[in-house]
Amino acid sequence: NAGVTQTPKFRILKIGQSMTLQCTQDMNHNYMYWYRQDPGMGLKLIYYSVGAGITDKGEVPNGYNVSRSTTEDFPLRLELAAPSQTSVYFCASSYVPDGELFFGEGSRLTVL
Amino acid sequence: RKEVEQDPGPFNVPEGATVAFNCTYSNSASQSFFWYRQDCRKEPKLLMSVYSSGNEDGRFTAQLNRASQYISLLIRDSKLSDSATYLCVVTQGSNYKLTFGKGTLLTVNP
Repeated sequence: NAGVTQTPKFRILKIGQSMTLQCTQDMNHNYMYWYRQDPGMGLKLIYYSVGAGITDKGEVPNGYNVSRSTTEDFPLRLELAAPSQTSVYFCASSYVPDGELFFGEGSRLTVL
Repeated sequence: RKEVEQDPGPFNVPEGATVAFNCTYSNSASQSFFWYRQDCRKEPKLLMSVYSSGNEDGRFTAQLNRASQYISLLIRDSKLSDSATYLCVVTQGSNYKLTFGKGTLLTVNP
């Protein structure tokens, strides 16, 4: 019963460093998403994908990049980390675009 | 008006109380509506979808009012385990954009 798996769960970065948050799902969902959640705020969509090879920007894409080479994997790349990217990142997938979202457990990122 | 706006909370209620949350949305073309539950430091999980006719799942009742553009969640006979943040989620028209409200924190006290 893996569902959506995210790694790492926690990470501390220095300003200017880069890293990739990994996300994989085993439900054969075409739709995958990356959200960030700041304290007291709703989830904001960073990027989404409607299938392998197809990605698009969400509300807050600046400073991030994604790729979708397979149905299962949807990594999120942070380039030149900034303190404003300190947040909790959630990967999610769904069977249909307006269906139930299945979330990973989240990745807590701190940029110092 | 913000895209999705929820009661700011927090709500503190005793066990057994009935509590209601409201959520308004700005896009009249929104098609799908949901309530998610998020426990402290955990991922959100679907609580229930909200249908035009209203729907009930045990102690939980969700209602949709398209004319006034709001949805509601009613929890009856609150349990300690209902303590969580409740997130209102609305699709924006026919695209893939799901917009989350900021959430309403509920604490049920013994």
